[in-house]
Amino acid sequence: GAVVSQHPSRVICKSGTSVKIECRSLDFQATTMFWYRQFPKQSLMLMATSNEGSKATYEQGVEKDKFLINHASLTLSTLTVTSAHPEDSSFYICSGNHGVTEAFFGQGTRLTVV
Amino acid sequence: GESVGLHLPTLSVQEGDNSIINCAYSNSASDYFIWYKQESGKGPQFIIDIRSNMDKRQGQRVTVLLNKTVKHLSLQIAATQPGDSAVYFCAETSSGSARQLTFGSGTQLTVLP
Repeated sequence: GAVVSQHPSRVICKSGTSVKIECRSLDFQATTMFWYRQFPKQSLMLMATSNEGSKATYEQGVEKDKFLINHASLTLSTLTVTSAHPEDSSFYICSGNHGVTEAFFGQGTRLTVV
Repeated sequence: GESVGLHLPTLSVQEGDNSIINCAYSNSASDYFIWYKQESGKGPQFIIDIRSNMDKRQGQRVTVLLNKTVKHLSLQIAATQPGDSAVYFCAETSSGSARQLTFGSGTQLTVLP
């Protein structure tokens, strides 16, 4: 199947700093990518929908100024957590759509803010 | 709001037995359902999907059953193996494609030796 690569897999940052997470579709073009957040032993919660060449659509309750999403090309979307705080510590996962029906997920990024 | 949920948060089965993981959904407009497997520290992995115009779909060792009358979805894993131990999520969408997915709460499957 199609491959979505997410980087980094783990990151530890100090409170107040910003962290960028990259999501790349390696062998297909993803006009739309999705960003999810997952807390321990919980399900995936959609944060935003990233559309190539346009502004991202954020889910209710997700601060767009805190979670900056850029989708500058058909193979790359980035999520930047700005001024990170310990409560932002979570597992962040991206997915890209291949064709009509199938979504492929990245490996996830474990963010720990200390 | 609409939600997708699972009946059992944990399931333990003996190696070689069959596993059944259940999922209830509440959005009557849902037309596409997917089961994902997530191993610890990894992203979800596609297992099998089914459209609302079907009742059953089979894959390799897995079968998905859909009961639209009671809005219930199940994943059956035949001859469960240790490598099947993971968290299983059902996901649904009413958009007809795996675009905006709503995930259930997940079931932790543990395969006992």
